[in-house]
Amino acid sequence: GQQLNQSPQSMFIQEGEDVSMNCTSSSIFNTWLWYKQDPGEGPVLLIALYKAGELTSNGRLTAQFGITRKDSFLNISASIPSDVGIYFCAGFGGTSYGKLTFGQGTILTVHP
Amino acid sequence: GAVVSQHPSRVICKSGTSVKIECRSLDFQATTMFWYRQFPKQSLMLMATSNEGSKATYEQGVEKDKFLINHASLTLSTLTVTSAHPEDSSFYICSASTKGVYGYTFGSGTRLTVV
Repeated sequence: GQQLNQSPQSMFIQEGEDVSMNCTSSSIFNTWLWYKQDPGEGPVLLIALYKAGELTSNGRLTAQFGITRKDSFLNISASIPSDVGIYFCAGFGGTSYGKLTFGQGTILTVHP
Repeated sequence: GAVVSQHPSRVICKSGTSVKIECRSLDFQATTMFWYRQFPKQSLMLMATSNEGSKATYEQGVEKDKFLINHASLTLSTLTVTSAHPEDSSFYICSASTKGVYGYTFGSGTRLTVV
């Protein structure tokens, strides 16, 4: 089946630093989604991207839908302790019609 | 808008018993709901897709007789873990979508512990 390769797997940063993570795929997706999951909770949608090349911001978060439709990145600027959690990319479309394909997740730790 | 309520949030059951988990879309009608399983620090693994009024579609390797899914209305889907065993202990998460909406909304998850 389809796979999304998300990197890095984990990050340990100091408060105030910027963070970047990305996802790549061998398949084309029509929609890219970025989710954050806090411990013991379900994922919460951060940003949705619908068009190739689209760059979208949500507060300190910025995400882009790659031109090739096979990749996306998420940047977090000026990180704060509450940014801690697991970030997942997810793709919709491609060969797994109707289902979301998830990346492996990036575990973010922010030291005060 | 687009709130999905999942209940219970935590459940402990004895080995051999069955457990039912509910997933409700509170402010929209969900034509399709998805059930995921997640192990610690891992990604979400899709178990099955349920469509209102029809049988669920299970992913390869998921036992349909062990994980019974019912989607009797446009706002409720249930997952029943039958004859639970310790290896069924996991975090189960549902999500719901409605036609034309790409931002799937997730429930808050259910932590199942089988002792």
